[in-house]
Amino acid sequence: GAVVSQHPSRVICKSGTSVKIECRSLDFQATTMFWYRQFPKQSLMLMATSNEGSKATYEQGVEKDKFLINHASLTLSTLTVTSAHPEDSSFYICSAVDGTNEKLFFGSGTQLSVL
Amino acid sequence: KQEVTQIPAALSVPEGENLVLNCSFTDSAIYNLQWFRQDPGKGLTSLLLIQSSQREQTSGRLNASLDKSSGRSTLYIAASQPGDSATYLCAGSNTGNQFYFGTGTSLTVIP
Repeated sequence: GAVVSQHPSRVICKSGTSVKIECRSLDFQATTMFWYRQFPKQSLMLMATSNEGSKATYEQGVEKDKFLINHASLTLSTLTVTSAHPEDSSFYICSAVDGTNEKLFFGSGTQLSVL
Repeated sequence: KQEVTQIPAALSVPEGENLVLNCSFTDSAIYNLQWFRQDPGKGLTSLLLIQSSQREQTSGRLNASLDKSSGRSTLYIAASQPGDSATYLCAGSNTGNQFYFGTGTSLTVIP
């Protein structure tokens, strides 16, 4: 079945540094990928929609200059948390739609901890 | 903006019981609906997808249905097992790709 690979699974960084998270669709092409964040015991909140070859669409309240999204190919999208601060600590998950069956597949998530 | 509510927020049942999880949408114009399972600290696993022309899907002991007139969906789990313990999330899209998630139901199946 379709697989979405997300790396790293866990990252701990110092405040002020930038962190890049990768999301790859392994056996299907994804023209659109989505980035979510999840705080403890809460549901997933959509941050942005990543479109291959064009700018990402950000949800209201999400800082596009802080959360940089690049969707350079049909199988790879990256999320860079720039100048991370402790309040950015969260679980980040990417997803992609398999256009052949419209199913949404998720990466395994990245737990970001900013010290 | 679509808002999704899941009831109950938490559920604890003895092994072998049948159970129903509920999900409702403020905008009943659901195009696709998907149920997911999430284990602690991990990503999501897709369980069932109800696409635009469908009303119900079944996979093993799981059955999901969608009432588009009311914007409500249910996930039925038959003969629950301890391995079913997880958080269950429903998500719906109005236009196809952008899904909005419910708050989740935390299920515990007691051996």
